[in-house]
Amino acid sequence: SQKIEQNSEALNIQEGKTATLTCNYTNYSPAYLQWYRQDPGRGPVFLLLIRENEKEKRKERLKVTFDTTLKQSLFHITASQPADSATYLCALDSNSGYALNFGKGTSLLVTP
Amino acid sequence: GAVVSQHPSWVICKSGTSVKIECRSLDFQATTMFWYRQFPKQSLMLMATSNEGSKATYEQGVEKDKFLINHASLTLSTLTVTSAHPEDSSFYICSASQGGSYQETQYFGPGTRLLVL
Repeated sequence: SQKIEQNSEALNIQEGKTATLTCNYTNYSPAYLQWYRQDPGRGPVFLLLIRENEKEKRKERLKVTFDTTLKQSLFHITASQPADSATYLCALDSNSGYALNFGKGTSLLVTP
Repeated sequence: GAVVSQHPSWVICKSGTSVKIECRSLDFQATTMFWYRQFPKQSLMLMATSNEGSKATYEQGVEKDKFLINHASLTLSTLTVTSAHPEDSSFYICSASQGGSYQETQYFGPGTRLLVL
């Protein structure tokens, strides 16, 4: 069955460092992959979408890579700030039209 | 732009009652809306996909007679949890897609926390 795996352990880093989060998937050939941010008790907020034919995409301090051979995406936040503390979700397209399948998310804590 | 609202933000009800949750796209027309459920420390689980003017498509294991979805217009979808029970307590989140060139990206509402006593 299709499976999306994200680091279940929380990631703690110091302000100013680069945070790197991992998303691995199996039994999938996604046309695209998305990253969302979710704060406690809130709905997810879209951050970036990367397509299967793209290797890397950037948006301000965010960078996403997509390796369809390794079946992995890496999500980087450079010059991290305490305000970046949240749960980050990886999502792939499902078999239900444009609905998404989400990973469980990785909690990021950036300390001053 | 691309704002989605949900109402109510939280609701507490007695077992056996029905609860309606509204999802609205405020500044765009949503050709498709999605309903998800999220239990604590779990991922979002898709419940159903709803297209305006047609019946919703439910995911396997989701009872369509228990979770009634109505997508009456391009800006409004409702989810009614009928005869709610404590195991239905969860965080319900809707999302909307603009369609066209932006159909892959979903804009999520703030969620509705349901507690059934």
